[in-house]
Amino acid sequence: EAGVTQSPTHLIKTRGQQATLRCSPISGHTSVYWYQQALGLGLQFLLWYDEGEERNRGNFPPRFSGRQFPNYSSELNVNALELEDSALYLCASSLERNRTPNYGYTFGSGTRLTVV
Amino acid sequence: AQKVTQAQTEISVVEKEDVTLDCVYETRDTTYYLFWYKQPPSGELVFLIRRNSFDEQNEISGRYSWNFQKSTSSFNFTITASQVVDSAVYFCALSEVVRDDKIIFGKGTRLHILP
Repeated sequence: EAGVTQSPTHLIKTRGQQATLRCSPISGHTSVYWYQQALGLGLQFLLWYDEGEERNRGNFPPRFSGRQFPNYSSELNVNALELEDSALYLCASSLERNRTPNYGYTFGSGTRLTVV
Repeated sequence: AQKVTQAQTEISVVEKEDVTLDCVYETRDTTYYLFWYKQPPSGELVFLIRRNSFDEQNEISGRYSWNFQKSTSSFNFTITASQVVDSAVYFCALSEVVRDDKIIFGKGTRLHILP
């Protein structure tokens, strides 16, 4: 079974540009979560999508947005990039929690975004 | 508010020593889940364990063991006979089932196992 896949692995952008990160969940998983792991800040919750809808978002500005497609894959878009957006962005998937007794996330390897 | 504190930022031990990673959490809910994840240098987070708030039974899996104590709001993780491959960042995490679905992570403990 393929795990959670994220692309690209690395991304270098200039301040002010836009970045698009992609995530494919494990087959059968309907929920996708995005986390930002900046140096020294641990993992910060960004967004949760389930069945194509945004269910929850963390304390991030509106220039962080995303969407989930009918095949449950997801995109994270970061507009007007700032230097402090440089981080590892991790995607995780799970079955919507009410449908699984083994609730937990499976993470991808992440996209390392560098803003210069 | 929910919060996870891993007071140990970085730990170094010599191979074959035992090491305990501390985790203290805060929550107002009576139903919640606690997790431990391992993040090796490759970056991918590896799920290690999930416990629900009603199950305080300690668990052992090979060289790994977990001590869950609701009275002190702690969920500590012990590695016995540590190995170099255990070197990684370890995250403790909390999910409040009723209030929210997201998992809140501690800041992690970087573990160095020295040969």
